[in-house]
Amino acid sequence: GAVVSQHPSWVICKSGTSVKIECRSLDFQATTMFWYRQFPKQSLMLMATSNEGSKATYEQGVEKDKFLINHASLTLSTLTVTSAHPEDSSFYICSARDWGQGFSGNTIYFGEGSWLTVV
Amino acid sequence: KQEVTQIPAALSVPEGENLVLNCSFTDSAIYNLQWFRQDPGKGLTSLLLIQSSQREQTSGRLNASLDKSSGRSTLYIAASQPGDSATYLCAVTGNQFYFGTGTSLTVIP
Repeated sequence: GAVVSQHPSWVICKSGTSVKIECRSLDFQATTMFWYRQFPKQSLMLMATSNEGSKATYEQGVEKDKFLINHASLTLSTLTVTSAHPEDSSFYICSARDWGQGFSGNTIYFGEGSWLTVV
Repeated sequence: KQEVTQIPAALSVPEGENLVLNCSFTDSAIYNLQWFRQDPGKGLTSLLLIQSSQREQTSGRLNASLDKSSGRSTLYIAASQPGDSATYLCAVTGNQFYFGTGTSLTVIP
């Protein structure tokens, strides 16, 4: 079946540096990808919708200059956390929609997620 | 904006018990509802998907129901096992997923 690969699974970075997380659809083209963040003991919160070839749509309260999203190809979206701070430490997960199966809603696949720790 | 709520937030039961997790949503204009499982430090595992035109779905010991008009879904787990311990999330789909707040389940051996 369709697989979404997210890399890295775990990353530790120093405060003030930037870190990039990749989300790849391995066997389908994903014109739309979603980025979520989850703080401990809280539910997943949508950060932004990434559309191939255009600017991402950010949810209210998400700083677009801090969380840079690039969706340059049909199989890859990247989330870059710029000038990371300890409060950015969180679980980030992406999902990708396989439009090839039509919009039945059951064609959204999730990556395994990335744990970011900023020290 | 769609809001999804899950009750209870945490649940602890002895092994073998049947249990029900609840999910409610504010906007009934959804395409489908999906139940996920999340183990600590892991990503999401899809358990059951109910299309908006359906009333329920079953997979093994799991049964999920959907009442779109009242904005409610339940996940029924029969004969619970310690391996069922995890956080269970429901999500409704419009143009995107809206996740519930999750129920943390602990099944005690």
